[in-house]
Amino acid sequence: EVQLVQSGAEVKKPGESLKISCKGSGYTFTNYWIGWVRQMPGKGLEWMGGIYPGDSDIRYSPSFQGQVTISADKSISTAYLLWSSLKASDTAKYYCARHQDSGTYFGAFDIWGQGTMVTVSS
Amino acid sequence: DIQMTQSPSTLSASVGDRVTITCRASQSLSSWLAWYQQKPGKAPKLLIYKASSLESGVPSRFSGSGSGTEFTLTISSLQPDDFATYYCQQYNSYLNTFGQGTKLEIK
Repeated sequence: EVQLVQSGAEVKKPGESLKISCKGSGYTFTNYWIGWVRQMPGKGLEWMGGIYPGDSDIRYSPSFQGQVTISADKSISTAYLLWSSLKASDTAKYYCARHQDSGTYFGAFDIWGQGTMVTVSS
Repeated sequence: DIQMTQSPSTLSASVGDRVTITCRASQSLSSWLAWYQQKPGKAPKLLIYKASSLESGVPSRFSGSGSGTEFTLTISSLQPDDFATYYCQQYNSYLNTFGQGTKLEIK
């Protein structure tokens, strides 16, 4: 079964760092772009950026450039989203998702992780 | 950035109704548009890709149409399971963007 499994919910304080993960299985992880999507409480979906694990090509939305870091470890089929200094406004649910066509980001998201809820509060 | 405008924001309908949701893009997308369904607390689910292609396993009452800058999602006969929020997404470039969502409510 093709799936993406994300790490569990996190509660952090402002200024702390955080890395959440997204592990792919059931397919060749290096061949498909992975995107990250933010959903703030009660709000819509926002594309943050994506990575091609095969060569670590990374693209960011201008809205998130410099705010987060996307990476991947292809040896363990896992993508990451990292914050160096969290803010209360980072409170949201974060999804990873796979672009459906091999080797390109010109594809819809066909497989989604279950989401990781990140709560930032003092 | 390509802006996506969905309408309506909220739609009230009854089981058995035919409903249509519209998504307009600020520039041409060719057919690089997808539709998703999201239920509370769950990840989005892909319904339609390349504007009109039905994702495997999605009921045939869902259909998509359009090209360029105007697209529609149609549900031919609403079922109880269809009450959810729907999003369009353009992927004409690496800089994907989503519409703001349409909440489909029971009348």
